[in-house]
Amino acid sequence: AQSVAQPEDQVKVAEGNPLTVKCTYSVSGNPYLFWYVQYPNRGLQFLLKYITGDNLVKGSYGFEAEFNKSQTSFHLKKPSALVSDSALYFCAVRSGAGSYQLTFGKGTKLSVIP
Amino acid sequence: DTAVSQTPKYLVTQMGNDKSIKCEQNLGHDTMYWYKQDSKKFLKIMFSYNNKELIINETVPNRFSPKSPDKAHLNLHINSLELGDSAVYFCASSQDGWNTEAFFGQGTRLTVV
Repeated sequence: AQSVAQPEDQVKVAEGNPLTVKCTYSVSGNPYLFWYVQYPNRGLQFLLKYITGDNLVKGSYGFEAEFNKSQTSFHLKKPSALVSDSALYFCAVRSGAGSYQLTFGKGTKLSVIP
Repeated sequence: DTAVSQTPKYLVTQMGNDKSIKCEQNLGHDTMYWYKQDSKKFLKIMFSYNNKELIINETVPNRFSPKSPDKAHLNLHINSLELGDSAVYFCASSQDGWNTEAFFGQGTRLTVV
């Protein structure tokens, strides 16, 4: 079985400061990892993914994430937060080839304070 | 053009009714999904179809029945609606099914009264 943990229900950060949203995962086999963002009353939007290769992946809106195999983590980061980044962030995982099931974490609410 | 579109966006109905939610994707993807998001924002997969074939069927009441008339459409039919079915239902699609990202519709907010 595959699972994702987002240990923080909410993260608050001041505008202009760096932000981190944490994610750890558990899968058998190689993980395929994703971050999505959900704005109020909207669907989920894809931010970035790790499939293979460089452990640091860059995505939309200046976000990046670092894959750490030994710690089974895939934390989302941004060097300088914007108020408009305030939203609900979901980490998701699929196990290796042939797996169609995308399992989501429970989400982390990011609030960027002006 | 909307990549994944769901209709209706809002659905208010009485207990015991039967309702359908439609989903269409114009991305040419092979795999489509239905997710349920509860009041705590937790996302849980319900069904997945690959090339019109059911490949994921999670533990959901058999009152929920997906139907995929073709690769671009995945509809969700719900019989005998209950109060606990109130949630936001998201349709999504992806290419290949496992190493590419999923694209989500805007959601259908179902309220059962």
